[in-house]
Amino acid sequence: KQEVTQIPAALSVPEGENLVLNCSFTDSAIYNLQWFRQDPGKGLTSLLLIQSSQREQTSGRLNASLDKSSGRSTLYIAASQPGDSATYLCAARGGSGYALNFGKGTSLLVTP
Amino acid sequence: GAVVSQHPSRVICKSGTSVKIECRSLDFQATTMFWYRQFPKQSLMLMATSNEGSKATYEQGVEKDKFLINHASLTLSTLTVTSAHPEDSSFYICSARDRGPGLFFGSGTQLSVL
Repeated sequence: KQEVTQIPAALSVPEGENLVLNCSFTDSAIYNLQWFRQDPGKGLTSLLLIQSSQREQTSGRLNASLDKSSGRSTLYIAASQPGDSATYLCAARGGSGYALNFGKGTSLLVTP
Repeated sequence: GAVVSQHPSRVICKSGTSVKIECRSLDFQATTMFWYRQFPKQSLMLMATSNEGSKATYEQGVEKDKFLINHASLTLSTLTVTSAHPEDSSFYICSARDRGPGLFFGSGTQLSVL
């Protein structure tokens, strides 16, 4: 069974800092890996999706990398802003279906 | 992009009552829908997978008689929490798969059972 772990569980940084969120997964036979943002009591906003054949994806200040062999993905946020405060989830999709295995998330607080 | 509408966004009910949550794909046909729940400070966990016109497949530990899933059309799936109890209080969210590789999430439902 796929296990997805995210470190750290919580992070507080001052505005303007660059930061890295980590995600690891136990089964490297994934179809893709996706990073989401979740605001309190809200649904999920997809940030970046990396196919298993890709090494990284970028969108604005966000960059996500994928290393299947080591079972790791990182989400890099450049020049953090208070509006980035949210919980960030990573989810691995297995090769046999469309269901996602989620980590517990990293709760990010960016202070002004 | 494709939109999945989930209602209600928040519901408070008394213990013993049943609650229905709807998930609609607005501009595409959802061949498969997934229902997840998330307890506080926990990860989203898959509850069940439903294909249009067939019975849902439940994950281990999820009571199918308690969490009734109906996927009667290609645009609508419902999750009914029967005889809800305080331990069922959770965040429930659906996702829908289109005929391609797309996977889209609803906005979630926060259920509080008193």
